[in-house]
Amino acid sequence: DGGITQSPKYLFRKEGQNVTLSCEQNLNHDAMYWYRQDPGQGLRLIYYSQIVNDFQKGDIAEGYSVSREKKESFPLTVTSAQKNPTAFYLCASSTGVLETQYFGPGTRLLVL
Amino acid sequence: KNEVEQSPQNLTAQEGEFITINCSYSVGISALHWLQQHPGGGIVSLFMLSSGKKKHGRLIATINIQEKHSSLHITASHPRDSAVYICALSGTYKYIFGTGTRLKVLA
Repeated sequence: DGGITQSPKYLFRKEGQNVTLSCEQNLNHDAMYWYRQDPGQGLRLIYYSQIVNDFQKGDIAEGYSVSREKKESFPLTVTSAQKNPTAFYLCASSTGVLETQYFGPGTRLLVL
Repeated sequence: KNEVEQSPQNLTAQEGEFITINCSYSVGISALHWLQQHPGGGIVSLFMLSSGKKKHGRLIATINIQEKHSSLHITASHPRDSAVYICALSGTYKYIFGTGTRLKVLA
């Protein structure tokens, strides 16, 4: 089955700790995205990648980092510089930046 | 002013009712998307519209480009339709998301 997976479903972070959220797709999509969702707000773009080995900052990139070494993988690291990381994180992919995006199931990050 | 506004924010309906969710926007777009987010958090794309009307099962989506307005209709609503419905705009490299309409359909 083609799709997009995220792991883990829940993640706990301690103060000062970096954590990495996984996103994998087997849809052969070129573009991949990371979004953050907070209660009462629309999804906000953290980073996006249009092609392997290239990525761009979105609207709220501070405190986050990504890599795109393989077409199917786009991991997001939440660094200790992100002071308010508690949120629901969604990964998405599409054939191109203007095309329909397909979303993963999300990872809920909580700070201990 | 937000670039995309949805109404209502919350909606409760009885099973079988006809439901309308509205989306108004203020920027140029290449397409408008309707998304469904279930309580578990996963998001499913329902429609991508650039003009006119699309139908899938009990769901109908319309867009008026001149008025910068779109509607999502659900006919014969069912409790399994309970979800958050999100309007999103695409026109550049990213989507612009509305804050969503939370729909609850009571049996």
